[in-house]
Amino acid sequence: DADVTQTPRNRITKTGKRIMLECSQTKGHDRMYWYRQDPGLGLQLIYYSFDVKDINKGEISDGYSVSRQAQAKFSLSLESAIPNQTALYFCATGLAGVHEQFFGPGTRLTVL
Amino acid sequence: AQSVAQPEDQVNVAEGNPLTVKCTYSVSGNPYLFWYVQYPNRGLQFLLKYITGDNLVKGSYGFEAEFNKSQTSFHLKKPSALVSDSALYFCAVRDFWMDSSYKLIFGSGTRLLVRP
Repeated sequence: DADVTQTPRNRITKTGKRIMLECSQTKGHDRMYWYRQDPGLGLQLIYYSFDVKDINKGEISDGYSVSRQAQAKFSLSLESAIPNQTALYFCATGLAGVHEQFFGPGTRLTVL
Repeated sequence: AQSVAQPEDQVNVAEGNPLTVKCTYSVSGNPYLFWYVQYPNRGLQFLLKYITGDNLVKGSYGFEAEFNKSQTSFHLKKPSALVSDSALYFCAVRDFWMDSSYKLIFGSGTRLLVRP
């Protein structure tokens, strides 16, 4: 969905490096989410935010942090990347009263 | 806790034949169910949802899904498959999490391969 953009689309980094993944949306949605996708495991929720001042941990938040800089921007940071954080990362948006979520194109992260 | 299961890792079907991608769920209360599709190098795209009402839900690209409460299933169907339908399909259920907040619980995904 072109209304939800993620940068970078691909990233290779080394163990111990700090890395930030960014998500921007023009949908005007108040809710934003970060998921990771691993083969055979579906998507797992890392963090979610219902507005700029509301940040919540998801199922697998250890090793990650987030920042909601504005309603339209939600970034995910790996403070010290490790190889098992190699995955496909998706940002999604949502709106109160609308049941489905809308996903960005994903960031493929490889930690060597 | 809410959960969904997609029992098939891959479904193979010939173009023009009907297709079914299976999903079963486990929820407390009324289920809110979704299907998403993921094409290569793309994000997940919303296909359809069941919230309430008719058990047969119609969605994008000619897909439909049948909600069956007694069998706790929400199978995705299409009467005539296209090669372009080949993709990864995810079933999801909405999990209410404190007041009005919620998250989506995704199944492990089913890869659909449509042969010409």
